[in-house]
Amino acid sequence: ETGVTQTPRHLVMGMTNKKSLKCEQHLGHNAMYWYKQSAKKPLELMFVYNFKEQTENNSVPSRFSPECPNSSHLFLHLHTLQPEDSALYLCASSSRDSNSLQYFGPGTRLTVL
Amino acid sequence: EDKVVQSPLSLVVHEGDTVTLNCSYEVTNFRSLLWYKQEKKAPTFLFMLTSSGIEKKSGRLSSILDKKELFSILNITATQTGDSAIYLCAVWGGGSNYKLTFGKGTLLTVNP
Repeated sequence: ETGVTQTPRHLVMGMTNKKSLKCEQHLGHNAMYWYKQSAKKPLELMFVYNFKEQTENNSVPSRFSPECPNSSHLFLHLHTLQPEDSALYLCASSSRDSNSLQYFGPGTRLTVL
Repeated sequence: EDKVVQSPLSLVVHEGDTVTLNCSYEVTNFRSLLWYKQEKKAPTFLFMLTSSGIEKKSGRLSSILDKKELFSILNITATQTGDSAIYLCAVWGGGSNYKLTFGKGTLLTVNP
């Protein structure tokens, strides 16, 4: 059972919809990450939060808006997405002592119509 | 630009076979290399390698790192159908902000 949970597990939305992805970690970590996994492409880092502060924004379009209210919760707000944004969105967390060892959630499979 | 290349991209074997998965990298300020296994859910951690030539082993899986030649291999002996998954290689390093750079993964299918 993973210590990182994500909801919803599947999401279908139209290009004009607004939705949010949620991630929660129960591992006492202080860093959280959003990754995008598309078919036949490597995992792409989107955002990094350390102690609730955003430390990385990997040139992600503004239609993706992250929010980190505390060290245990991370959101990804979505609006006016494009069909090419359809992918698996993975959340991960890590501790300050070992940022390289990241624990992943099960992901949200997003389909944009 | 940092990059991680895995080969092969896909592999089909029979139960009992031994497989070797490859990962080569070009990453600024290399710190460590990680292997993950991804089934239809979260990638799960297998190994972290930081030193050359020291084999990490867990059951039928083992991995080794060569920092001079910039690659790592993941070996699976006596494969089972439950080993079917995508195996991801990632390298921790980077410029001003360290991050994990992932390869595309190797899709392993083990047939009974």
